[in-house]
Amino acid sequence: KQEVTQIPAALSVPEGENLVLNCSFTDSAIYNLQWFRQDPGKGLTSLLLIQSSQREQTSGRLNASLDKSSGRSTLYIAASQPGDSATYLCAVGKAAGNKLTFGGGTRVLVKP
Amino acid sequence: DGGITQSPKYLFRKEGQNVTLSCEQNLNHDAMYWYRQDPGQGLRLIYYSQIVNDFQKGDIAEGYSVSREKKESFPLTVTSAQKNPTAFYLCASSWGGVPDNEQFFGPGTRLTVL
Repeated sequence: KQEVTQIPAALSVPEGENLVLNCSFTDSAIYNLQWFRQDPGKGLTSLLLIQSSQREQTSGRLNASLDKSSGRSTLYIAASQPGDSATYLCAVGKAAGNKLTFGGGTRVLVKP
Repeated sequence: DGGITQSPKYLFRKEGQNVTLSCEQNLNHDAMYWYRQDPGQGLRLIYYSQIVNDFQKGDIAEGYSVSREKKESFPLTVTSAQKNPTAFYLCASSWGGVPDNEQFFGPGTRLTVL
């Protein structure tokens, strides 16, 4: 059974510092990995989708890497801003039905 | 505007009642999903549907039921058999049930049992 872990559960950084968020998974036979952002009481916003054949994806200040063999993905957020404060969730997808297995999330606070 | 809508935003249920949560999408997506989120935890899959008139159980389907009579709609019923229904419920959709497709989420419904 696939298990997805995100450590740390919470992170606080001063504005301007780069953020590094970690995601690990136990079964390397994944088809994709998706990073989401969730604001308190809100739904999920998709940030990046990495296909299993890809090593990384970039969007603006966000960069996500994927190492299937070691079961890890890292989300980098450059030059953090207070507006980046949110919970970040990673999820891995498998073939049948594109079902996602989620990690518990990392709650990020960027201090002005 | 294309997107996923969920209603109501907040729902209160008495013990023994069945309640139905609405999920509608106008993205023309084939696949739809229901997830449950408990405080401080990630999401867990309840049910999913890859095509109209077909759906499959996810990891925690007990006490829940769904229907998929229209492509754009995937309502979730929380029955009295669900022992601990208080949670945040999220609906999602994607172009299909194939692995490469990104999932998009609605704003969620918060269900509280009184």
